[in-house]
Amino acid sequence: AQKVTQVQTEISVVEKEDVTLDCVYETRDTTYYLFWYKQPPSGELVFLIRRNSFDEQNEISGRYSWNFQKSTSSFNFTITASQVVDSAVYFCALSGPPGNQGGKLIFGQGTELSVKP
Amino acid sequence: SAVISQKPSRDICQRGTSLTIQCQVDSQVTMMFWYRQQPGQSLTLIATANQGSEATYESGFVIDKFPISRPNLTFSTLTVSNMSPEDSSIYLCSVGQGINQPQHFGDGTRLSIL
Repeated sequence: AQKVTQVQTEISVVEKEDVTLDCVYETRDTTYYLFWYKQPPSGELVFLIRRNSFDEQNEISGRYSWNFQKSTSSFNFTITASQVVDSAVYFCALSGPPGNQGGKLIFGQGTELSVKP
Repeated sequence: SAVISQKPSRDICQRGTSLTIQCQVDSQVTMMFWYRQQPGQSLTLIATANQGSEATYESGFVIDKFPISRPNLTFSTLTVSNMSPEDSSIYLCSVGQGINQPQHFGDGTRLSIL
């Protein structure tokens, strides 16, 4: 079965601190996809990144970076120099190989990040 | 990415009634999905809305309770039937251009049942 675990339920940091959100996944598939979404207090879900299981290169986008390690089944998300606007709930999600279940997103429980000024 | 309009944005309903939520996309999309987010919880997939055929429901969700329509590639509806307080949630529509492509979400419908 597929499962996503976000071990941190809540994180609180002070502005300009770096923060890492952990995501651990379980799957028996060799082909799978990992995602991160942001849900700010306004409630909408914002797509941040998609990574497939064959691409273990880390990715950086501005202050955001992602570390994908298949050996530990982890897909961690780091925000550098955090800002108050980063305050949100962040979800890690997993989907399986193409097929009738391929579109299904399995979400972790979410990590609520609070960045204080 | 596609612009997704979801209506209503919120509603307060009486127990036993039904509400239909609409999801309109500004371009044709391959995949449309409906999710539920219970208070303080994560998102759970209700069903995949299939164009021109019956939706594919996830375990724990049934067509009688959550009938779904998808008459074309830009529009879908989800009905929450015979509502009870346990149905109080955010219901979100998402769209994607292919399996395992990023799904983009509407702003959600915040539903409260009294």
